[in-house]
Amino acid sequence: EAQVTQNPRYLITVTGKKLTVTCSQNMNHEYMSWYRQDPGLGLRQIYYSMNVEVTDKGDVPEGYKVSRKEKRNFPLILESPSPNQTSLYFCASSLEQGASNEQFFGPGTRLTVL
Amino acid sequence: GQSLEQPSEVTAVEGAIVQINCTYQTSGFYGLSWYQQHDGGAPTFLSYNALDGLEETGRFSSFLSRSDSYGYLLLQELQMKDSASYFCAVKSYQKVTFGIGTKLQVIP
Repeated sequence: EAQVTQNPRYLITVTGKKLTVTCSQNMNHEYMSWYRQDPGLGLRQIYYSMNVEVTDKGDVPEGYKVSRKEKRNFPLILESPSPNQTSLYFCASSLEQGASNEQFFGPGTRLTVL
Repeated sequence: GQSLEQPSEVTAVEGAIVQINCTYQTSGFYGLSWYQQHDGGAPTFLSYNALDGLEETGRFSSFLSRSDSYGYLLLQELQMKDSASYFCAVKSYQKVTFGIGTKLQVIP
């Protein structure tokens, strides 16, 4: 089954404790992206990757890191989480050259930073 | 940068037609997408317009006018299950920007 998976689905942590949210897709997509969703703000892009070893900042990259060592994986790293990073996070992937530009979203990770 | 505007809430009656508008400001415009998100769920893709005109997919249609920086999503024969949030999104170069979403409530 074609899908995007994220882990963990729920996480409660404390300020400053490094964490990684994993994202994996099995559709051989070139483009992958991380978004955060907050009430009244919609989805905001954090980072995106056009292919292996190619990443770039989205609209809200501060406090986050990403890596793309393999095509299928795109982990999101919070080196020192803060309460303002409490949010719902979505990973997504798409075919870079696809005519529809359809993004496939993972199920989401709800993060709470205390 | 990019910015999009769409209404925050819309209410419509089951069986009716509803149009959700989206205006955008961006550079390097590639196309306009629409996504549906039910409460507690992930966004799912509905449609994409790269060129002017209307794209139809079943009960849903999407329209784009590049010269007006405007698009809309048209939902026909509304069903209760269409109650959800609808987001427009633009891709500008490789960056994607979403609108804040329109919460559609379908009432009997």
